[in-house]
Amino acid sequence: AQSVTQLDSHVSVSEGTPVLLRCNYSSSYSPSLFWYVQHPNKGLQLLLKYTSAATLVKGINGFEAEFKKSETSFHLTKPSAHMSDAAEYFCVVSEGYGQNFVFGPGTRLSVLP
Amino acid sequence: GAGVSQSPSNKVTEKGKDVELRCDPISGHTALYWYRQSLGQGLEFLIYFQGNSAPDKSGLPSDRFSAERTGGSVSTLTIQRTQQEDSAVYLCASSPIQMGGRDIQYFGAGTRLSVL
Repeated sequence: AQSVTQLDSHVSVSEGTPVLLRCNYSSSYSPSLFWYVQHPNKGLQLLLKYTSAATLVKGINGFEAEFKKSETSFHLTKPSAHMSDAAEYFCVVSEGYGQNFVFGPGTRLSVLP
Repeated sequence: GAGVSQSPSNKVTEKGKDVELRCDPISGHTALYWYRQSLGQGLEFLIYFQGNSAPDKSGLPSDRFSAERTGGSVSTLTIQRTQQEDSAVYLCASSPIQMGGRDIQYFGAGTRLSVL
């Protein structure tokens, strides 16, 4: 069975400093991995996805994530935080065709001026 | 419209009443998912429809919850005899599920259900 752990429920950074949101997964197969962002009172939006191609995935708004199979991790990073990045971030795993998506509990990112 | 549409956007009901929540997926998307998001929580999977296959109902929390998808398109989530703990945002997503899988989900804005 697949599962997702997001190690931090809340991360706070200063504007202009790097962002690291951690995600570890468990899967019996070669999974697809995703990061979604949810801004207050908005719907979920895909940031990026990994589907067994390049292990370093670039997404929207300057975010990227690196798939590390040996560490079963898919951490989300951004070199320089912007105030507009403040939101809830969800790491998601799927084992493929016709399979369900499993969401992590989310990490709330706060960006301080 | 181009995205996933959910209605109503907000629903306030009294304990014990039945409610129906509607989801219009993106045209042509074969997969449809319902999730529940309680305040400050992650997404809880409820049910998954894929084409004409039997739905995966493994996430439905009780027999008060049911969902159907007519004609492979619009879906309705029904909650009977609502309880206060049913208060949450109910999110719908659709996915094209292309060959090889691994496709992304497109989410609606959700229905905020408040049970008084």
